[in-house]
Amino acid sequence: GQNIDQPTEMTATEGAIVQINCTYQTSGFNGLFWYQQHAGEAPTFLSYNVLDGLEEKGRFSSFLSRSKGYSYLLLKELQMKDSASYLCAVRDGNYQLIWGAGTKLIIKP
Amino acid sequence: IAGITQAPTSQILAAGRRMTLRCTQDMRHNAMYWYRQDLGLGLRLIHYSNTAGTTGKGEVPDGYSVSRANTDDFPLTLASAVPSQTSVYFCASSPGLESNEQFFGPGTRLTVL
Repeated sequence: GQNIDQPTEMTATEGAIVQINCTYQTSGFNGLFWYQQHAGEAPTFLSYNVLDGLEEKGRFSSFLSRSKGYSYLLLKELQMKDSASYLCAVRDGNYQLIWGAGTKLIIKP
Repeated sequence: IAGITQAPTSQILAAGRRMTLRCTQDMRHNAMYWYRQDLGLGLRLIHYSNTAGTTGKGEVPDGYSVSRANTDDFPLTLASAVPSQTSVYFCASSPGLESNEQFFGPGTRLTVL
């Protein structure tokens, strides 16, 4: 079966750095996505990785290792507005997105 | 309008009733999707459409049907609602199935009693 695993909840301090991990097992691989979802709102796109390595976009970076079935999202200089759920998704061999259950990130002052 | 709209925002429905959730996008995207999101579970794909006139089944299609008569609209119909269909439903679109980003509508919160 296909499976995406990520921690259910994490807590971090404002101004700090946090890394959210995602491991996956899918039938085929056509890219890995990270989305942010604030409570009661729609998911919004953060990043896309299809090749191994680090993609940096401002305070957010995403890393992929296809051989290990592993990705992480790194958030730097945390702000209170970063409190949200972070969703990891993999596009499988049929070009369908398989989603993890999401990691709820709580930022404390 | 700009982006994707969904209607209604929320709905309470009696079991056995028929319900259509509406989704409209103005970005001229070819691909559209319907997901459901339940607490503790990831988004699950119900149905998708690669282009107007074609549809496909996702991970959890049973009890749902879709149509894609034109590029902009992608309605989702529950023929006879059951309580297990209580969920938040998101419509999304992308230029194509291989695109690097999906754009999501605001969601419909559906409660089936």
